[in-house]
Amino acid sequence: EDQVTQSPEALRLQEGESSSLNCSYTVSGLRGLFWYRQDPGKGPEFLFTLYSAGEEKEKERLKATLTKKESFLHITAPKPEDSATYLCAVLYNFNKFYFGSGTKLNVKP
Amino acid sequence: DGGITQSPKYLFRKEGQNVTLSCEQNLNHDAMYWYRQDPGQGLRLIYYSQIVNDFQKGDIAEGYSVSREKKESFPLTVTSAQKNPTAFYLCASSIDNGRALPDTQYFGPGTRLTVL
Repeated sequence: EDQVTQSPEALRLQEGESSSLNCSYTVSGLRGLFWYRQDPGKGPEFLFTLYSAGEEKEKERLKATLTKKESFLHITAPKPEDSATYLCAVLYNFNKFYFGSGTKLNVKP
Repeated sequence: DGGITQSPKYLFRKEGQNVTLSCEQNLNHDAMYWYRQDPGQGLRLIYYSQIVNDFQKGDIAEGYSVSREKKESFPLTVTSAQKNPTAFYLCASSIDNGRALPDTQYFGPGTRLTVL
């Protein structure tokens, strides 16, 4: 049974076209939810940590939100350099992180 | 500069050989992790270690082994018992000091292993 599901698998946007990525989780007792950005052939780069429902974090064009069942990564007016795979991970047991399979974002100029 | 290093970046292995992937961190983090990433799949946990000389199996530990003799180092050996070792391997670390809020994992640049 999947613990973490990300949607869509792939997303193509025009530059400036805002959208949202979804991360839903089925585990109970969430201790933290993490968003990462991964460029091809590289390790994931940390973006945000969210700990409780209602929490929001922002960084430049990105904003992450958390509810009891899912998290959204909102991308406002994206640029081509935002193209990457965005990974979501949840921590519900001590030191065990569960990752989604990612959303591959492509922003066209 | 503080960070996590992995070597080599690319590794080729013949069938039947054991190979060891290096992971070093100078972040003074207690916990270290090894993940495997395959195309279209999420990261899967192989092993993790919360403290020196102690480590636990993750979800896909069969065919792999690790050691944690130093806080800074957590090498992963891919043995010949691993049936499908071709993948991208990622090492990560995090502070693990028992605080109530879990700390973020930070990742190394990865090692791509190919079996010939």
